[in-house]
Amino acid sequence: DAKTTQPNSMESNEEEPVHLPCNHSTISGTDYIHWYRQLPSQGPEYVIHGLTSNVNNRMASLAIAEDRKSSTLILHRATLRDAAVYYCIPYFGNEKLTFGTGTRLTIIP
Amino acid sequence: NAGVTQTPKFQVLKTGQSMTLQCAQDMNHNSMYWYRQDPGMGLRLIYYSASEGTTDKGEVPNGYNVSRLNKREFSLRLESAAPSQTSVYFCASSDLEWGLAGGRDEQYFGPGTRLTVT
Repeated sequence: DAKTTQPNSMESNEEEPVHLPCNHSTISGTDYIHWYRQLPSQGPEYVIHGLTSNVNNRMASLAIAEDRKSSTLILHRATLRDAAVYYCIPYFGNEKLTFGTGTRLTIIP
Repeated sequence: NAGVTQTPKFQVLKTGQSMTLQCAQDMNHNSMYWYRQDPGMGLRLIYYSASEGTTDKGEVPNGYNVSRLNKREFSLRLESAAPSQTSVYFCASSDLEWGLAGGRDEQYFGPGTRLTVT
C-alpha cells in the first residue's frame, strides 16, 4: 500500500477556502486517490476521488500533481459543518481502504 | 432508505463474554466491511465480504469472526472479549464495480457501535 503523509491538524476561518495537502510519493500507477472525511461521532463519508486529472464535485475539488506524488483537497468555502478529520487514501480496488490518522480540520467562526 | 444500520449503539462487556454486532444495509450492495477505530487512530479493517457467501480477513482479524447471513446482513462476533477490543466498530457497504465505476469506491458507513470491555 502507498504511504501517505498528511498534516495532523489545520485551522481555517469560516467562509474561506481550505487546501488540505497529502503526500503519497510511493503511489502506484493504478492507485486512485480517494478522500474521505469523518465528522465528529460519525462514520467516514466519501468526498471525492481522482486518478490524474483535477476533479470537482458538489463537496470539493481535488487537485493532483502532475507526477501524482501529492494531491490537495480544496474546500472552496469552509463552513462549520466541514470540521472533520480528512483522510487521503490511494486505492486500487482491492476492497481494502487503508485509513491513516488523517488531518483534523478546525473551522474558526 | 436507512442506509447502513448497526446494533447496538453502545455495549459494555466483561472480559471473556461474547457478543455479536449486527449490521444491515438496504442499498443492495455486494460488498460489506467491518472496521474498528481506536481513540486517536484511523480505521482498521477487520473483515470484509465481497459478495454473499464469501468473507476475507482484513488487517486485524484476530479475536473476531464474521457471518454474511445474506446480501443485506453482515455480523461480527467476539467469542471471548478482551480489554484490547475496546473500540468503536463501524460497518460499511459498497457497490464496488471497479472497472465500471472509474476507480470509485464509495463506501457507506453506519453510525458505529461503541464497545467497552472491562
